[in-house]
Amino acid sequence: EDQVTQSPEALRLQEGESSSLNCSYTVSGLRGLFWYRQDPGKGPEFLFTLYSAGEEKEKERLKATLTKKESFLHITAPKPEDSATYLCAVEPGGYQKVTFGTGTKLQVIP
Amino acid sequence: KAGVTQTPRYLIKTRGQQVTLSCSPISGHRSVSWYQQTPGQGLQFLFEYFSETQRNKGNFPGRFSGRQFSNSRSEMNVSTLELGDSALYLCASSPGTPNSGEKLFFGSGTQLSVL
Repeated sequence: EDQVTQSPEALRLQEGESSSLNCSYTVSGLRGLFWYRQDPGKGPEFLFTLYSAGEEKEKERLKATLTKKESFLHITAPKPEDSATYLCAVEPGGYQKVTFGTGTKLQVIP
Repeated sequence: KAGVTQTPRYLIKTRGQQVTLSCSPISGHRSVSWYQQTPGQGLQFLFEYFSETQRNKGNFPGRFSGRQFSNSRSEMNVSTLELGDSALYLCASSPGTPNSGEKLFFGSGTQLSVL
């Protein structure tokens, strides 16, 4: 069965303190790995899709990378508005369901 | 363009009752999927619909069911509610066929509390 493990569960950073979130996965043939951001009381909001090992994508202070077994979400010089829960999800090949990790709750302190 | 709309936003029910949740996808989106989100388990896949057909189903009991209409709107139903069904139910839509590597667009969810 496909598995997605995110670490750490929670992360507290000072504003400007860069860090990385990890998403480890096991899947039978990866079609895509997704990163979403979820704010309290809202549904997840799409950030990135990565399709193959070695791929990288950037958006403002966020950069997502992918290897054959894990993905990292790097946050450079975070701001308080980056505080949210970050979710990782994998879509396997074939007609299989998308599997989500349980997320990393990020808090950025001013 | 309007986003994914879920109604109602909040719902309180008692054990044994049944409930129906509604989801209107983004205009033009044909795939609709449903997820249950709880603090301990994260997002758990319920089912996915495309062209009024269920294309995939998660590991939930038969009390959980759904359907999709010809206009792509979807409903999910939970019968004989249990306390453990208390959760945020999220609906997501995407433009193409399931399993095509597309991103999901989520609604804000329906928060169900079972007393």
